[in-house]
Amino acid sequence: EAGVTQFPSHSVIEKGQTVTLRCDPISGHDNLYWYRRVMGKEIKFLLHFVKESKQDESGMPNNRFLAERTGGTYSTLKVQPAELEDSGVYFCASSQDWAQDFFYEQYFGPGTRLTVT
Amino acid sequence: GEDVEQSLFLSVREGDSSVINCTYTDSSSTYLYWYKQEPGAGLQLLTYIFSNMDMKQDQRLTVLLNKKDKHLSLRIADTQTGDSAIYFCAEGSYNTDKLIFGTGTRLQVFP
Repeated sequence: EAGVTQFPSHSVIEKGQTVTLRCDPISGHDNLYWYRRVMGKEIKFLLHFVKESKQDESGMPNNRFLAERTGGTYSTLKVQPAELEDSGVYFCASSQDWAQDFFYEQYFGPGTRLTVT
Repeated sequence: GEDVEQSLFLSVREGDSSVINCTYTDSSSTYLYWYKQEPGAGLQLLTYIFSNMDMKQDQRLTVLLNKKDKHLSLRIADTQTGDSAIYFCAEGSYNTDKLIFGTGTRLQVFP
């Protein structure tokens, strides 16, 4: 079974440019999450999709970030325009839509390292 | 608010035991997790513990939970060089899917 994949693995852009990150969850997983780790700090939750709907977007830092999941399969996270503080590693995770004993295992992708110069 | 704290670095000799500590603040946490991140790889779930448990053992891994002090630890017995990685503590609750992570502890194992 293929795991969560993310593209690109690394992106270097200039301040003010636009970048789009892509995440392909594990097939059949309705839940998709985006997280971000800024240099040396904790991994922070950005948002959660259930199929194509945004269940929780409380972690989105500002309106420069736009996440979509059209059709409920892969998801994109667009940053426009990018700022220096957006640099970090963006992780995507997915999980099934049911859980035993409320235990949801989130399977993480390798992350996209974004560098804004 | 929700907060998870970990020390940043730990260095141990191969064959010794490693203990990575974590404190959290959310008393409504249902599960507490340990994730491992190796270089260039994603986060791999190592183990988890339900909040009404005190201890969980899985081969070389032992998780201890002190719910009163909101303290979680991960002990790795007979630490090997392949255990070198960043270890993240995380908490979750049944009423939300989001995980709250700590900063991660970088474990370095030297021969």
